[in-house]
Amino acid sequence: AQSVAQPEDQVNVAEGNPLTVKCTYSVSGNPYLFWYVQYPNRGLQFLLKYITGDNLVKGSYGFEAEFNKSQTSFHLKKPSALVSDSALYFCAVRDTFSSGSARQLTFGSGTQLTVLP
Amino acid sequence: KAGVTQTPRYLIKTRGQQVTLSCSPISGHRSVSWYQQTPGQGLQFLFEYFSETQRNKGNFPGRFSGRQFSNSRSEMNVSTLELGDSALYLCASSLVLSAGGEDEQFFGPGTRLTVL
Repeated sequence: AQSVAQPEDQVNVAEGNPLTVKCTYSVSGNPYLFWYVQYPNRGLQFLLKYITGDNLVKGSYGFEAEFNKSQTSFHLKKPSALVSDSALYFCAVRDTFSSGSARQLTFGSGTQLTVLP
Repeated sequence: KAGVTQTPRYLIKTRGQQVTLSCSPISGHRSVSWYQQTPGQGLQFLFEYFSETQRNKGNFPGRFSGRQFSNSRSEMNVSTLELGDSALYLCASSLVLSAGGEDEQFFGPGTRLTVL
């Protein structure tokens, strides 16, 4: 079975500082990995994904994520945080070797990012 | 291109009633998935429809059902509502260019269901 862990419920960072939101995953085969962001009273917005190839993936709004197969991690990063980045961030995984109901996208529990001015 | 739309945005029902939620995917998207989001359980997958067929189903009771129409629009129905069904219900669509599953999903704003 596939699973995603976001070990931090809350991350606080000062504006202008780099930010990291952590994500680790567990799959049977190879993973497809995604990051989404949710603003209050809104649906989820896609940020970036890792399918194959370069381990460093660049996405929307200056975010990037690094795929680390040995550590089964896919941490979200941004070099300089903005107050407007404050939101709920979700990591998600899909196992490429699964079938049937296991092909669904599994989300982590979410990390609330607060960027302090 | 218009995004995923969901109607209604807010809904208040009482226990025992049933409810139908609607989702219109992005034009050209053939897959529609539904999720339930609650503070305690997070985001939980309900089901996925592709070309009018349910392709995947999450671990929810049979009170939760859905369907997809030929224009890819989808509805989900919850019968005999319980207090615990209060949640934000999110619909997501994806293009599905291949069977590989690498397509990202695009989410609607959700329907906030409150069961009293």
